[in-house]
Amino acid sequence: AQTVTQSQPEMSVQEAETVTLSCTYDTSESDYYLFWYKQPPSRQMILVIRQEAYKQQNATENRFSVNFQKAAKSFSLKISDSQLGDAAMYFCARSGTASKLTFGTGTRLQVTL
Amino acid sequence: GAGVSQSPSNKVTEKGKDVELRCDPISGHTALYWYRQSLGQGLEFLIYFQGNSAPDKSGLPSDRFSAERTGGSVSTLTIQRTQQEDSAVYLCASSSHTSSYNEQFFGPGTRLTVL
Repeated sequence: AQTVTQSQPEMSVQEAETVTLSCTYDTSESDYYLFWYKQPPSRQMILVIRQEAYKQQNATENRFSVNFQKAAKSFSLKISDSQLGDAAMYFCARSGTASKLTFGTGTRLQVTL
Repeated sequence: GAGVSQSPSNKVTEKGKDVELRCDPISGHTALYWYRQSLGQGLEFLIYFQGNSAPDKSGLPSDRFSAERTGGSVSTLTIQRTQQEDSAVYLCASSSHTSSYNEQFFGPGTRLTVL
């Protein structure tokens, strides 16, 4: 099975600090995309950031950035200047040629004052 | 514009009953996906539809699960003879194409509880 693994069930960060969420994946495809989704208590899945596997440059969206290591099949999310509103479940996901997403089990992020 | 909507928001049913969950995708989106999120787990792919093509049913866990998409828009996920292990949040998503690049927009989900 082509899996996505998030080894950190829970993480905590102080407001204004930086936190990194880990993700590794397995795939036999050469063309694929990687995603980080945020799920607040409302259950609404929100796309945070996306990375195309053929691009070497790491994606960045404001305070969110990724460290994509293709050879290691690693895709971590860095959140800078953490805010209370960042508290949520974060899911790493991969899509391939079939477009359906394969998700990790998630990391619950707490943001403390 | 309106996002993906799902109904009902919550559904409580008795073991052995049939349930229908509805998804209204974003207008014009040709691809529609169903996922299941069990407690403490990530999302598990169930089925997806693309236009008039045959759906990919590879994620359906048993023949008690079925889904249809009428007129290329609204989709209904049906679970027959529900079991307690079917309790989960069922999420629907839509996208404008099936290429991996296109973002999937998710609905708020239906929380199903089987007593």
